[in-house]
Amino acid sequence: GDSVTQMEGPVTLSEEAFLTINCTYTATGYPSLFWYVQYPGEGLQLLLKATKADDKGSNKGFEATYRKETTSFHLEKGSVQVSDSAVYFCALSVPGNQFYFGTGTSLTVIP
Amino acid sequence: DTAVSQTPKYLVTQMGNDKSIKCEQNLGHDTMYWYKQDSKKFLKIMFSYNNKELIINETVPNRFSPKSPDKAHLNLHINSLELGDSAVYFCASSQDRGYGYTFGSGTRLTVV
Repeated sequence: GDSVTQMEGPVTLSEEAFLTINCTYTATGYPSLFWYVQYPGEGLQLLLKATKADDKGSNKGFEATYRKETTSFHLEKGSVQVSDSAVYFCALSVPGNQFYFGTGTSLTVIP
Repeated sequence: DTAVSQTPKYLVTQMGNDKSIKCEQNLGHDTMYWYKQDSKKFLKIMFSYNNKELIINETVPNRFSPKSPDKAHLNLHINSLELGDSAVYFCASSQDRGYGYTFGSGTRLTVV
């Protein structure tokens, strides 16, 4: 069945460090892929998305590339800030079917 | 002009009580959802409604019942609350199943 696997946290980084959060997926169709972010005490917000292979989603300095050959959608940011501290969820969807979330990765950025 | 709004934001209640959480979306989306997020941040889908028809019920206890009076509203009723029901409940909507979601800000339910 369709599923998403993302790296377990928590992840702790110093400010300005490079961030990678790994996400791989299994899907029978042609999924769209998403990263959502949840700041403390808030709901989930769409961070970026990619709807087909080789697409790159980007927002707020974060990037992720839809890699069909490796079934991956890793989230990266070149220089994290304290304000990036949050929980990040990878997700996939196939139109007409259920939306699948990963288990979430908690990121803490320290000054 | 909040896109998906849910009330209340916090709910503290005793075991055995019955409570409701309300959700409204003004995006014109066709599908609405309820998710439960546990203390480890794991998200579990509970229900989804498409044009007022229930299309997902993921082995949720029948103490939980969704009610959708119209396409813009999906309320969650919980009977005989138990300690294990304590969690954050999120409402969400999408244009269709499988498309990007817009989430509400969550309702933190604490059962004592």
